Amino acid sequence: KQEVTQIPAALSVPEGENLVLNCSFTDSAIYNLQWFRQDPGKGLTSLLLIQSSQREQTSGRLNASLDKSSGRSTLYIAASQPGDSATYLCAVSRYDYKLSFGAGTTVTVRA
Amino acid sequence: SAVISQKPSRDICQRGTSLTIQCQVDSQVTMMFWYRQQPGQSLTLIATANQGSEATYESGFVIDKFPISRPNLTFSTLTVSNMSPEDSSIYLCSVEVPEAFNYGYTFGSGTRLTVV
Repeated sequence: KQEVTQIPAALSVPEGENLVLNCSFTDSAIYNLQWFRQDPGKGLTSLLLIQSSQREQTSGRLNASLDKSSGRSTLYIAASQPGDSATYLCAVSRYDYKLSFGAGTTVTVRA
Repeated sequence: SAVISQKPSRDICQRGTSLTIQCQVDSQVTMMFWYRQQPGQSLTLIATANQGSEATYESGFVIDKFPISRPNLTFSTLTVSNMSPEDSSIYLCSVEVPEAFNYGYTFGSGTRLTVV
């Protein structure tokens, strides 16, 4: 069974600091890995999608890396802003289309 | 990518009653997925719904408690039956969508259910 772990569980930083969020998974036989953002009580917004054959993806201030062999992904958010405050979820998909989620990292960016 | 309209966005229900959650997708999709997010926890897959066949439930979830309908390629419902306070959660539907040369997942806005 795929286990997905996210460290740290919570993070508080001053505005402008770079954020580093970590995700690890136990089974390297993944189809792809996706990072989501969730605001309190809301649904999920997709941030970045990395195919298993890729090493990284970038979108604006966001960059996600994937090391499939070691079962790790890292989400970098540059120059954080108060609007980045949310919970960030990492999810890996299998070839049967099912997603396994980590518990998330709750980020607070202080103005 | 696909847009999912999910409703209701929230509800407060009496124990013992049932609630039906609807998801409408703006494009045809083969599979739809239903997730539960209990307070303070991450998402857990309830079932996968394919049009024209019975939904496939994950371990710990049964059809009598969470009946699912999938009448066409753009619509699905999840019913939470005979509710108890332990069913208080956020329920989300999801579909797989093409994204560049890959396939990712998009989610509805969620239904926040409180059972009293």
